[in-house]
Amino acid sequence: KNQVEQSPQSLIILEGKNCTLQCNYTVSPFSNLRWYKQDTGRGPVSLTIMTFSENTKSNGRYTATLDADTKQSSLHITASQLSDSASYICVVSEVSNAGKSTFGDGTTLTVKP
Amino acid sequence: NAGVTQTPKFQVLKTGQSMTLQCAQDMNHEYMSWYRQDPGMGLRLIHYSVGAGITDQGEVPNGYNVSRSTTEDFPLRLLSAAPSQTSVYFCASSYRGAGELFFGEGSRLTVL
Repeated sequence: KNQVEQSPQSLIILEGKNCTLQCNYTVSPFSNLRWYKQDTGRGPVSLTIMTFSENTKSNGRYTATLDADTKQSSLHITASQLSDSASYICVVSEVSNAGKSTFGDGTTLTVKP
Repeated sequence: NAGVTQTPKFQVLKTGQSMTLQCAQDMNHEYMSWYRQDPGMGLRLIHYSVGAGITDQGEVPNGYNVSRSTTEDFPLRLLSAAPSQTSVYFCASSYRGAGELFFGEGSRLTVL
């Protein structure tokens, strides 16, 4: 069964600090991996999309990495802001099966002043 | 563009009642899907569609029906609501199945 596991489950950091969120997956055959940000009470919004050949992709203060060999991804947030407080969800899609996506349970990040 | 629009935003039902959650997108996306999100848990796929006239079951389809008569609309029907269906429901669409998903703002359903 395809699985996506995220760690830590929750994280509290001080404003201005950096943090790294982890995502391990067993989805095969791999199509792409996406990180989404979900603010409380809102729908998830895409941060990055990574394919097999991409190792690193940045979106402002967000940098995602992918190691397709070990099936691991990370999301690094630099110089955190209060607005970064949200749930971050890792989603991995298959090549076949209508591009079916497997969702991680998310990491809840709280940034404190 | 409005993106993905879900209605209603909030709904309270009694056990046994039926209702339809509406989802519409204006991006001409072929792929549409419904998820439920329970407190402290991840999104779970209920049903999905890869195009008009084509639907398939996801991870947790029991108690829900869908249809896709047009590219734009993908309603989710609760046939006989149960308290276990209390959740937040999200509709999403993408250009293709493995593409970037665009989510609606969610429909919060409480079944008493």
